[in-house]
Amino acid sequence: KAGVTQTPRYLIKTRGQQVTLSCSPISGHRSVSWYQQTPGQGLQFLFEYFSETQRNKGNFPGRFSGRQFSNSRSEMNVSTLELGDSALYLCASSLRGDSGLRGTEAFFGQGTRLTVV
Amino acid sequence: AQSVTQLGSHVSVSEGALVLLRCNYSSSVPPYLFWYVQYPNQGLQLLLKYTSAATLVKGINGFEAEFKKSETSFHLTKPSAHMSDAAEYFCAVSVGYDTGRRALTFGSGTRLQVQP
Repeated sequence: KAGVTQTPRYLIKTRGQQVTLSCSPISGHRSVSWYQQTPGQGLQFLFEYFSETQRNKGNFPGRFSGRQFSNSRSEMNVSTLELGDSALYLCASSLRGDSGLRGTEAFFGQGTRLTVV
Repeated sequence: AQSVTQLGSHVSVSEGALVLLRCNYSSSVPPYLFWYVQYPNQGLQLLLKYTSAATLVKGINGFEAEFKKSETSFHLTKPSAHMSDAAEYFCAVSVGYDTGRRALTFGSGTRLQVQP
């Protein structure tokens, strides 16, 4: 079974540009979450999507957005890039069932390393 | 709101020695607790999880963790460290599974060094 696939693995962008990162979840997983990892702030939750709807959002500015497609693939977009946006962006997928006791395990991709110069 | 505190940003042990990585959580409702490991330039790999079924949880690679409600702790242990265990370890908590709030709140991480 293929794992979570994130593309691209590495990106270099210039301040002010915008960027789109892609995440393909494990087959059958309907929930996709995004996290930002930086040396200073650690791992921080960005947002979660389920069935093409954003279900949960972290404390990030509106420049950070995302979406999910009908095949559960997700993209996140960062507009007007700032130097502080340099980070490892991790995507996680989980199998979300109707019962709250199932589907809490998140499987992570290898991440996209974004460098803003 | 839930939170996780990992005591010790760096832990160094000798190969073959006991590994103990500490994690304390704060949550107003019964939490789900996780330990993840991250190798350089990699994503996070789940080591083990606590979901209220059993307080002693066994994970992959010989790791285990014990949930102690009275101490609000979920420390990770391994009886004998191996060189390949050198990595960064993250404790995480998740609550609100019935409300749809599935975000993981991570601790700041503990980098484990294993000395030969």
